[in-house]
Amino acid sequence: KAGVTQTPRYLIKTRGQQVTLSCSPISGHRSVSWYQQTPGQGLQFLFEYFSETQRNKGNFPGRFSGRQFSNSRSEMNVSTLELGDSALYLCASSFSGQGNNEQFFGPGTRLTVL
Amino acid sequence: QKEVEQNSGPLSVPEGAIASLNCTYSDRGSQSFFWYRQYSGKSPELIMSIYSNGDKEDGRFTAQLNKASQYVSLLIRDSQPSDSATYLCAVNGGYQKVTFGIGTKLQVIP
Repeated sequence: KAGVTQTPRYLIKTRGQQVTLSCSPISGHRSVSWYQQTPGQGLQFLFEYFSETQRNKGNFPGRFSGRQFSNSRSEMNVSTLELGDSALYLCASSFSGQGNNEQFFGPGTRLTVL
Repeated sequence: QKEVEQNSGPLSVPEGAIASLNCTYSDRGSQSFFWYRQYSGKSPELIMSIYSNGDKEDGRFTAQLNKASQYVSLLIRDSQPSDSATYLCAVNGGYQKVTFGIGTKLQVIP
């Protein structure tokens, strides 16, 4: 079974631009979560989608948004990029999103904002 | 107070020794607990999950959960240099709102 895939793997943008990241979950998985990882803050939860609905959201500004499609693929968008948005963005998929379901991570997208 | 606390390390152990990694969490309603291993420059890899009090063993890894003390630990027996990585403790408070600790960096010295 193929793992979680994320595209692109690397991105370089400048302040003020916007960016869209894509995540394809493991086949059969319906829940997709997004995380931001930085050296100082560790892994921070952004949001979780299940069956095209956002069920949970972390403490990030409205510039961070996401969506999920009917095939469970998910995208996240960051508008008006700031230097502090430079980070590794990870998505993780799980089967149904119920409390005990294990999450599996993709390779991540490394975003650099100049 | 952070929701999931780990000592950031580094924790150094000699090859062949037992490495003990610890984690405490604040949400008493948490139901599922995970340990991930993350090599430098890579994404986290799930190595253990535990849902009920007690021990769960998988090869050289043992996860221990004590909900009364809000404490989760990971033991790595016969530590190998290839175990050198950052170990992330994760706690699921429901609907995949998973909170991660900062991670403990483990160094296994040959």
